[in-house]
Amino acid sequence: AQSVTQLGSHVSVSEGALVLLRCNYSSSVPPYLFWYVQYPNQGLQLLLKYTSAATLVKGINGFEAEFKKSETSFHLTKPSAHMSDAAEYFCAVRAWGGGGGNKLTFGTGTQLKVEL
Amino acid sequence: EPEVTQTPSHQVTQMGQEVILRCVPISNHLYFYWYRQILGQKVEFLVSFYNNEISEKSEIFDDQFSVERPDGSNFTLKIRSTKLEDSAMYFCASSEAQAGEGYTFGSGTRLTVV
Repeated sequence: AQSVTQLGSHVSVSEGALVLLRCNYSSSVPPYLFWYVQYPNQGLQLLLKYTSAATLVKGINGFEAEFKKSETSFHLTKPSAHMSDAAEYFCAVRAWGGGGGNKLTFGTGTQLKVEL
Repeated sequence: EPEVTQTPSHQVTQMGQEVILRCVPISNHLYFYWYRQILGQKVEFLVSFYNNEISEKSEIFDDQFSVERPDGSNFTLKIRSTKLEDSAMYFCASSEAQAGEGYTFGSGTRLTVV
């Protein structure tokens, strides 16, 4: 079975500052990892994904994430926050086989607030 | 870019009534899913569907829930007798066969049971 832990349910940064949203995973088989963003009253939009190729993954809107197996982490970063980045961010893991089926397991989400 | 389409966007129903939530997945995708998100909580897996049958379901997906792919394009979630605690945002998603591909989610149906 797989699980995801997102540290910090709320993160607040100043516009232009570094964004760091933390995600740690647990999986009995090599995982596929994803970050989704949810804007208010909208659906889930894929930001980026790790699929066992490059460990540093670049996504949309200037976000990137680094897969670190030794730390079982997949933290999301953006060098310079913009007001439009304010949203809820979900980390998710998908474990093909290993008893995890084909479903995505989500973390509890991190609400990002960007202040002037 | 291909989209997953969900209808309706909002539905209000009385407790005990049946509701059907509708989804049109991306046409070349093979796996279909329903997830739900109770207000303020995380997104929870309900069920996955492949090759015209349920491939996996969670403990949430009890006998009150059913899914169907009635034709080549639609994918529905039925709740037979709604309860107050069924109030949530329901997301449909679809994916290609490869495990490394992320899902494409629809914009959701907000179900309110009164």
